Amino acid sequence: NAGVTQTPKFRILKIGQSMTLQCTQDMNHNYMYWYRQDPGMGLKLIYYSVGAGITDKGEVPNGYNVSRSTTEDFPLRLELAAPSQTSVYFCASRWTSGGAPDTQYFGPGTRLTVL
Amino acid sequence: DAKTTQPTSMDCAEGRAANLPCNHSTISGNEYVYWYRQIHSQGPQYIIHGLKNNETNEMASLIITEDRKSSTLILPHATLRDTAVYYCIVSPDSGGYQKVTFGTGTKLQVIP
Repeated sequence: NAGVTQTPKFRILKIGQSMTLQCTQDMNHNYMYWYRQDPGMGLKLIYYSVGAGITDKGEVPNGYNVSRSTTEDFPLRLELAAPSQTSVYFCASRWTSGGAPDTQYFGPGTRLTVL
Repeated sequence: DAKTTQPTSMDCAEGRAANLPCNHSTISGNEYVYWYRQIHSQGPQYIIHGLKNNETNEMASLIITEDRKSSTLILPHATLRDTAVYYCIVSPDSGGYQKVTFGTGTKLQVIP
């Protein structure tokens, strides 16, 4: 298993540009998450998904969009990049069956700079 | 969701036990204590979790007080590779949206 993979690893955007951060997991997990981490700070939840076709907002969703057309993929879209979106973005996935407690598996992150 | 309080930073000598405390005085009966760590801006990595009883795995031990208001993560023989930010999180058991809040954690520096 590759686990959770993210592309690209690094990206520099100009203000107003758009891009999609890719996230794929091969563990057949039902839950997927997007977090951002600003320098010296903890992680903040942007969006999450409980399964294909179902997404919902987290703490800081403004300026982002997501979709979940398949179990494996959970792309994050930035439409009009702003300097405040400079951050490291982490994708995570988790399996839950409603039974035993479970944990999140994180990808390596995408480092985004908006200039 | 219960809130956690952790020291901002700690040092530990290599080879010694690292004891990382966490306060979660408002924890609910159905909330588990989870520990993750983040090494040098990599994605967070799960370490261990527990509900009431003490737990041990190949990475660490988790000691939860009887009233469940605090816990301690123990790395029995810290190595330089254990230098990381350690996050203590409380979250309800699975079955729904696991809204985990990663605060700023404890930055553990293992010293040679």
